[in-house]
Amino acid sequence: GENVEQHPSTLSVQEGDSAVIKCTYSDSASNYFPWYKQELGKGPQLIIDIRSNVGEKKDQRIAVTLNKTAKHFSLHITETQPEDSAVYFCAASIRTYKYIFGTGTRLKVLA
Amino acid sequence: EAGVVQSPRYKIIEKKQPVAFWCNPISGHNTLYWYLQNLGQGPELLIRYENEEAVDDSQLPKDRFSAERLKGVDSTLKIQPAELGDSAVYLCASSSSSLGGGLDTGELFFGEGSRLTVL
Repeated sequence: GENVEQHPSTLSVQEGDSAVIKCTYSDSASNYFPWYKQELGKGPQLIIDIRSNVGEKKDQRIAVTLNKTAKHFSLHITETQPEDSAVYFCAASIRTYKYIFGTGTRLKVLA
Repeated sequence: EAGVVQSPRYKIIEKKQPVAFWCNPISGHNTLYWYLQNLGQGPELLIRYENEEAVDDSQLPKDRFSAERLKGVDSTLKIQPAELGDSAVYLCASSSSSLGGGLDTGELFFGEGSRLTVL
């Protein structure tokens, strides 16, 4: 069945450095790729998304890239800050509703 | 605007007891999801509603889990009887539309979740 693999499972970076999280998906029909940030005790919150007709999208310090041929997409966070520390989930969506989530990356930004 | 509201936030029960979770989606959102999130894992879909119709419940363990969405607004998820392995966070999410295909995907808005501990 559909599968989304996410790496790494944990990531520690120094404040101000960049962080990169990578995901691969199995179903070529996937056409929407959101990234969610989940803080302790809260529900996931959308931080950025990309659709299959776009290769890259940027929003201030956050960017996402998509390689449809290789079926992988990545989240890039530049100039990391302590408040970026959280668990990040990627997801792949098929036909606008079937979301398959990755297993999450725990990002720790060290001050 | 209020977000997705879930209750209770925390519930501790003994195994074999029943438990129910309630969700109030964002006003106007016709699509409602219940997700299961185990510790250290991503959310996994249990059931999806379009208005009051359950259109995808293939992952819902129907021997013990049930859900309803009367009048196409609020929803409840019930477990009876609960087992030790049901300990997890139950997340509710809503979106404005998931009908049709193409690239127009509605953003998922999650509630804060209901954490269940079964002893």
